Amino acid sequence: AQKITQTQPGMFVQEKEAVTLDCTYDTSDPSYGLFWYKQPSSGEMIFLIYQGSYDQQNATEGRYSLNFQKARKSANLVISASQLGDSAMYFCAMRSTGNTPLVFGKGTRLSVIA
Amino acid sequence: DAGVTQSPTHLIKTRGQHVTLRCSPISGHKSVSWYQQVLGQGPQFIFQYYEKEERGRGNFPDRFSARQFPNYSSELNVNALLLGDSALYLCASSMSTGEGTNEKLFFGSGTQLSVL
Repeated sequence: AQKITQTQPGMFVQEKEAVTLDCTYDTSDPSYGLFWYKQPSSGEMIFLIYQGSYDQQNATEGRYSLNFQKARKSANLVISASQLGDSAMYFCAMRSTGNTPLVFGKGTRLSVIA
Repeated sequence: DAGVTQSPTHLIKTRGQHVTLRCSPISGHKSVSWYQQVLGQGPQFIFQYYEKEERGRGNFPDRFSARQFPNYSSELNVNALLLGDSALYLCASSMSTGEGTNEKLFFGSGTQLSVL
């Protein structure tokens, strides 16, 4: 069974600073993918970044980067130069091969302070 | 291009009633998945449909059912509503079945269901 753990219920960050949101995962499958989604108050889940288990380099998408440490089973999201619009819920998720569903963690609420 | 659209946005029902939620996927997407998000939790998988066939089912009672139409839109039905069914119901679409690990899901804004 797959499991995602996000231990930070809430985080605060100053505008223009960087912030790291933690995510650990558990799976026995050798091939899997890790995702981060952002959920603003509107409710829509917005895809941010993806990391495959066999990818050699950490994924980056603009101000988002994923700090992937396979041995530790962690996939932390780093947001650089935080903006007020980054205030939202952030969810880490994973799936394995074979049409398995996306499994989500409980999320972290990020608040960016001016 | 339009994203995933869901209707209605909000719904209030009483215990024992039935509800139907609707979802239109992104044009060209053939797979639709439904998730339930209870307040303070992450989304939980309910169903996936691809080409009108059920491809996956989560750990939900038989009161939950769904179907996909020839135009790839989908309905989620919940019978005999319970207070615990109050949640945000999210629909997501994707290009294919999700056999690979990198299949990205595109979500709608959800239907907020309140059961009184």
